[in-house]
Amino acid sequence: AQSVTQLDSQVPVFEEAPVELRCNYSSSVSVYLFWYVQYPNQGLQLLLKYLSGSTLVESINGFEAEFNKSQTSFHLRKPSVHISDTAEYFCAVYSQGGSEKLVFGKGTKLTVNP
Amino acid sequence: DAMVIQNPRYQVTQFGKPVTLSCSQTLNHNVMYWYQQKSSQAPKLLFHYYDKDFNNEADTPDNFQSRRPNTSFCFLDIRSPGLGDAAMYLCATSRTSGRQNTEAFFGQGTRLTVV
Repeated sequence: AQSVTQLDSQVPVFEEAPVELRCNYSSSVSVYLFWYVQYPNQGLQLLLKYLSGSTLVESINGFEAEFNKSQTSFHLRKPSVHISDTAEYFCAVYSQGGSEKLVFGKGTKLTVNP
Repeated sequence: DAMVIQNPRYQVTQFGKPVTLSCSQTLNHNVMYWYQQKSSQAPKLLFHYYDKDFNNEADTPDNFQSRRPNTSFCFLDIRSPGLGDAAMYLCATSRTSGRQNTEAFFGQGTRLTVV
């Protein structure tokens, strides 16, 4: 069965600083990987996804993540954060050709301070 | 534009009184999920439907049931809500075809309060 580990439960940063939110996964088969963002009292919104092809994927609001198969990682990065990026970020995984279950990590609370 | 719609957004129910949460989708996805999310925690999968096939998680309490009368609708029934069932309930959908999965699309959630 697949699993996801987000080591950092909280990440405080200052506005315009770079940030990296870490995600590692385990699976015996190839995977699809996702980052979701959740604002207070809202559902989850897809931020970006890796299905196949280029290992570097980007979102429209400046986030990017790189799939690293050898390190089983899918870390999320942004070179310069804004106050509005304050939210909870969840990494999630499907196993290809396996269960249709989407498994989430425990989440990382990103707080951007002025 | 909303593709996965959950009603209501906020639900208050009495301890022990049955409650039903609803979810509808316009995406024609074949998989629908129900997640429970407690404060500052990750979403926890309760069960999901793959087409008409119901898949219950091993640790989902019997108090939680689900119905999917057609492709578009899915319901979460809590037969006897306890105080510990207060949470955000998230519905999601995805399309799975053989070895291909799309990402999951989430509704806005229903915040359940038990009094």
